[in-house]
Amino acid sequence: DAMVIQNPRYQVTQFGKPVTLSCSQTLNHNVMYWYQQKSSQAPKLLFHYYDKDFNNEADTPDNFQSRRPNTSFCFLDIRSPGLGDAAMYLCATSTTGKEQFFGPGTRLTVL
Amino acid sequence: RKEVEQDPGPFNVPEGATVAFNCTYSNSASQSFFWYRQDCRKEPKLLMSVYSSGNEDGRFTAQLNRASQYISLLIRDSKLSDSATYLCVVNPWGKLIFGQGTTLQVKP
Repeated sequence: DAMVIQNPRYQVTQFGKPVTLSCSQTLNHNVMYWYQQKSSQAPKLLFHYYDKDFNNEADTPDNFQSRRPNTSFCFLDIRSPGLGDAAMYLCATSTTGKEQFFGPGTRLTVL
Repeated sequence: RKEVEQDPGPFNVPEGATVAFNCTYSNSASQSFFWYRQDCRKEPKLLMSVYSSGNEDGRFTAQLNRASQYISLLIRDSKLSDSATYLCVVNPWGKLIFGQGTTLQVKP
């Protein structure tokens, strides 16, 4: 089945220790998104790629970076995680302007 | 003002009840509209798109009022399994803007 896969599902890191979250998709969608979602809040868009074009949200901290080496994969790098970065990180894909399909998310804990 | 506003609830209803959620959006240039469902600690999943003429999918009916800039979701004959958070989503510039979500609890 075509799908969006995120690894790992749960990630524990230490304060300040870099972490990388991965997302892959078999839907062949041209757009990939990374969201941060904290408890009882709406998903917050961090950045997205239209094909290879990177689009950063204005309020996304510099601590968050992303890479998309090919159509199928996208990575979220958190260079120096703080306690406030503990959240669920959701990857989503779509074709331009259409509904998004989400992966199961990675729940990040920062100790 | 938030770009997409929803009453967070919770809405507590008995099984079999009809419940309606509303959502307002601020950008009149918004092109497409969706309702997503999110279960606790899970990812959002598309429930239905919302079309200008209104649309229905089984027990779920979505309506769009562009003049007043609001979207509604009606759930008939509520089931226990309908308990979730319902996210109103608007697409003004080719990316999705999520509302905070409305929590529904269906009780036996």
